[in-house]
Amino acid sequence: EVQLVESGGGLVQPGGSLRLSCAASGFPFSSYAMSWVRQAPGKGLEWVSGIGGSGESTFYGDSVKGRFTISRDNSKNTLFLQMDSLRAEDTAVYYCAKGGIPHWGQGTLVTVSS
Amino acid sequence: DIQMTQSPSTLSASVGDRVTITCRASQSISTWLAWHQQKPGKAPKLLVYKASNLESGVPSRFSGSGSGTEFTLTISSLQPDDFATYYCQHYNGYSWPFGQGTKVEIK
Repeated sequence: EVQLVESGGGLVQPGGSLRLSCAASGFPFSSYAMSWVRQAPGKGLEWVSGIGGSGESTFYGDSVKGRFTISRDNSKNTLFLQMDSLRAEDTAVYYCAKGGIPHWGQGTLVTVSS
Repeated sequence: DIQMTQSPSTLSASVGDRVTITCRASQSISTWLAWHQQKPGKAPKLLVYKASNLESGVPSRFSGSGSGTEFTLTISSLQPDDFATYYCQHYNGYSWPFGQGTKVEIK
């Protein structure tokens, strides 16, 4: 069974940084691309960033390009999202999601506020 | 970039009704389409992948169809547990565009 468990969310001030993690199990992690998807309060789903199975290819949505960095550690079956220069509009629940047939984690809340 | 457009945005229906949600892609995506159900405060849940394949454990009253640019999700007989928001998603490649969502409400 695919399991994805996010952690690292919390309250951060505008301009601050936060690092999200996603622990994966139940599938051959290094064989699959992974993504981060977010959902602002009361809004729809927005793809944030994706990474290839080997970690060499990374992709970003326009709203986070230059501020967020996606990475992975295949030896630990873990996905990361480094979020810098955070803004109020980055406030959202962040979901880790598996590529191929998409599966979701339970999400972690990031709140950017002073 | 590929855009996904769902209709309607909100749908009011009664238990037992047949419900259809439409999703259109701005260009052909073959059958690289998934449907997800989301309830308030919960993570999305995969219902259908590859346009018409039901995820394991999903009730058979759900079905998906379509290819190219036009897709539908049908609930054959709406149940109380089905009142939720539904999203379509194109998932081939590294950018995952989503539809804006369809909220299914109690009539």
